[in-house]
Amino acid sequence: DADVTQTPRNRITKTGKRIMLECSQTKGHDRMYWYRQDPGLGLRLIYYSFDVKDINKGEISDGYSVSRQAQAKFSLSLESAIPNQTALYFCATSVGGLAGANVLTFGAGSRLTVL
Amino acid sequence: DAKTTQPPSMDCAEGRAANLPCNHSTISGNEYVYWYRQIHSQGPQYIIHGLKNNETNEMASLIITEDRKSSTLILPHATLRDTAVYYCIVRASRRDMRFGAGTRLTVKP
Repeated sequence: DADVTQTPRNRITKTGKRIMLECSQTKGHDRMYWYRQDPGLGLRLIYYSFDVKDINKGEISDGYSVSRQAQAKFSLSLESAIPNQTALYFCATSVGGLAGANVLTFGAGSRLTVL
Repeated sequence: DAKTTQPPSMDCAEGRAANLPCNHSTISGNEYVYWYRQIHSQGPQYIIHGLKNNETNEMASLIITEDRKSSTLILPHATLRDTAVYYCIVRASRRDMRFGAGTRLTVKP
């Protein structure tokens, strides 16, 4: 089984629908992240959480919300999906501490299409 | 936050060393240099990181200049499977990780 599991892997939805992307990890890491990637571009940070009680906005948080239900689970929600949120979404984890804090392990990605 | 500059693309012959440069002239003393790569649309993969000293692991070597203003990732014997986008990131350990555009490395037969 993968260390970082994202569900669903692919989703097609309509404008205005509420969508939740889920991420779970078995690495025991404190930190979890959500990124989005548009075709041909790099990753952009949406939200991140350094522990269960900590939630932080990233570069592009508008239109998104997150929930850290447990150390191992971090969900990303689109309350009312719009077409320009069509993208590939990645969850990642890392351990806290010094240098290791930014050694991220990524999930396989969730491809979302909003029609 | 230190900004990084990487060439948008590079080619390398299969079996030869691939040397990927990264400029980070505004790096702070507590910031590490990290390298990741992303093959096609897979999740990015951690390669290596360093603070001051050169580092080597089973995937690559990282050479950081003495003034820490630039670094080079070296893939000693590039294979076709090393074709990917390579990201150089400079970040302090207590900060979140942000990715730039990276360098698209194409390894050619």
